[in-house]
Amino acid sequence: GQQLNQSPQSMFIQEGEDVSMNCTSSSIFNTWLWYKQDPGEGPVLLIALYKAGELTSNGRLTAQFGITRKDSFLNISASIPSDVGIYFCAGQLYPDTGNQFYFGTGTSLTVIP
Amino acid sequence: SAVISQKPSRDICQRGTSLTIQCQVDSQVTMMFWYRQQPGQSLTLIATANQGSEATYESGFVIDKFPISRPNLTFSTLTVSNMSPEDSSIYLCSVKENEQFFGPGTRLTVL
Repeated sequence: GQQLNQSPQSMFIQEGEDVSMNCTSSSIFNTWLWYKQDPGEGPVLLIALYKAGELTSNGRLTAQFGITRKDSFLNISASIPSDVGIYFCAGQLYPDTGNQFYFGTGTSLTVIP
Repeated sequence: SAVISQKPSRDICQRGTSLTIQCQVDSQVTMMFWYRQQPGQSLTLIATANQGSEATYESGFVIDKFPISRPNLTFSTLTVSNMSPEDSSIYLCSVKENEQFFGPGTRLTVL
């Protein structure tokens, strides 16, 4: 399957700090999704991106669809303790080869109060 | 977005037994999927559940081990057969509209 490289693998930050994580691939994608997964729960969709260069916000979260269509970025501003969790990126290939989304390896975020 | 529920939410099973996980969606959806998430890992697609026909399995997953039913557009089941400790994972039902949404997962522990 497709390899989506997500970095960093884990982050430990102080409450109030900003967070950046990214997802890269050698393939071109036509859709990027970002999810957050709390312990014992299923992933919850945070942001969806549909075209190159698109910048979309959801509260303190901002995500961008990279110009090359091979990467995406997620930023969290002014982190709070409830931001703790694992963040996954997911991408759908261009051209679409079967409706499947491929998932990144995840970024584990710990926020220290 | 679709609301997805799964039953059971968790179970502890003995080696050699089988468990059937149910997934119910509150609206009709064309695309339903089953994923596995092993401890500390990302999500791995097991199969696409096709309504009225056999599921489409990904490489490394076979129907004898993970039989899937999809009797209608709102319901699917995944059975984990002849379980071993290596099957201990979270199993997630998912649906795709424009984006992809997940159920809360079933946490399976095999002793």
